[in-house]
Amino acid sequence: EIVLTQSPGTLSLSPGERATLSCRASQSVSSTNLAWYQQKPGQAPSLLIYGASNRATGIPDRFSGSGSGTDFTLTISGLEPEDFAVYYCQQYGSSRFTFGPGTKVEIK
Amino acid sequence: QVQLQESGPGLVKPSETLSLTCTVSGGSISSLYWSWIRQPPGKGLEWIGYVFSSGRTSYNPSLKSRVTMSVDTSKNQLSLNLSSVTAADTAMYYCARHRGNLREYFDLWGRGTLVTVSS
Repeated sequence: EIVLTQSPGTLSLSPGERATLSCRASQSVSSTNLAWYQQKPGQAPSLLIYGASNRATGIPDRFSGSGSGTDFTLTISGLEPEDFAVYYCQQYGSSRFTFGPGTKVEIK
Repeated sequence: QVQLQESGPGLVKPSETLSLTCTVSGGSISSLYWSWIRQPPGKGLEWIGYVFSSGRTSYNPSLKSRVTMSVDTSKNQLSLNLSSVTAADTAMYYCARHRGNLREYFDLWGRGTLVTVSS
């Protein structure tokens, strides 16, 4: 099973700042099979990025994804108040899906 | 637009079977993959398994011995059964739609239903 590790666990930033979130896999993941989700309190997760770098429908361009192999990054170029949430990476391989433990982006 | 709605008992006794339904509205479940994903309170996400509209399934190995999933295309519903539950199965349970050429990500989620395992 591929294990995903996310860092940092919590990111404390101010609105307007840039957020850089890391997702590291225990073995190589096809870029096609790496996605990011945002989860706000009391809500279900929602898709942000698929295929490591493709924004989902309706996602603003301040969100971007990059990476390959075992290292992937989600960048939020300028935090808006609604972006403070928990972010999860997710991979698919061998008919199995695993999620990272999440990174909480909180207001500093 | 397509919406997913989970439903089922909010409280299940230890050792019993948890049974949930996901109703898909605004679209057909046919020719698509659907997953169940859970999230214990304050914790992360765990994939439980998926079911294709034909009934083909794949389960998380850690839960495989206790999980059964099925579809009812006439009702546009998915179902999840998890047997021999313990307190560790207390979680928010979500159904989600797969997308992608390899069905590799989840583009639509239900709001979830909270299931507590307690006597």
